[in-house]
Amino acid sequence: DSGVTQTPKHLITATGQRVTLRCSPRSGDLSVYWYQQSLDQGLQFLIQYYNGEERAKGNILERFSAQQFPDLHSELNLSSLELGDSALYFCASSPNQGMSGDTIYFGEGSWLTVV
Amino acid sequence: AQSVSQHNHHVILSEAASLELGCNYSYGGTVNLFWYVQYPGQHLQLLLKYFSGDPLVKGIKGFEAEFIKSKFSFNLRKPSVQWSDTAEYFCAVNSPGDTGRRALTFGSGTRLQVQP
Repeated sequence: DSGVTQTPKHLITATGQRVTLRCSPRSGDLSVYWYQQSLDQGLQFLIQYYNGEERAKGNILERFSAQQFPDLHSELNLSSLELGDSALYFCASSPNQGMSGDTIYFGEGSWLTVV
Repeated sequence: AQSVSQHNHHVILSEAASLELGCNYSYGGTVNLFWYVQYPGQHLQLLLKYFSGDPLVKGIKGFEAEFIKSKFSFNLRKPSVQWSDTAEYFCAVNSPGDTGRRALTFGSGTRLQVQP
């Protein structure tokens, strides 16, 4: 158990819908990262937050957004869902911003299936 | 942009065989290097990491990796694999000194299949 908690574990929804994935980082970790894992794209970095502020953006679509709340949990919002958004979405956390010595641990992921 | 290359996409070994999985990265600055393992249907687990110091790092489950800066490589090794090592292995890198590159960049993964 990495200490990173993600909910829900599985989610099935229809095209055009909107879903919210939730992540609680390890105790004491200030950074949260979101990744998407799919068969054709592999592991893609989406976005990073540190202590409530956006720190880095990766390949995140405009239909997707995220935020980190004062209690450091984070939510990833996926809207206008398409079939191609079906993937495993991982959250990860680290104590700092990815500085030297910062270990990044992953949660168990949220499986999203869009039908 | 930094990138990570894992040259072996699918490796099949017999139990007790030795393993070496290649990983090369493209960033020229200071890097943190990681190997993660993903067992079927599970999440990413950290195998080992390199930040600085001794370039030979030991991880869990008998794995080790060697950082060779001149070759931009961080190959994963295990002297004798077991059936339970069947999984997908990901090499990842981030650049602590570069604000825009502190999130991990992953390689495409190597699927290891160990036959009993």
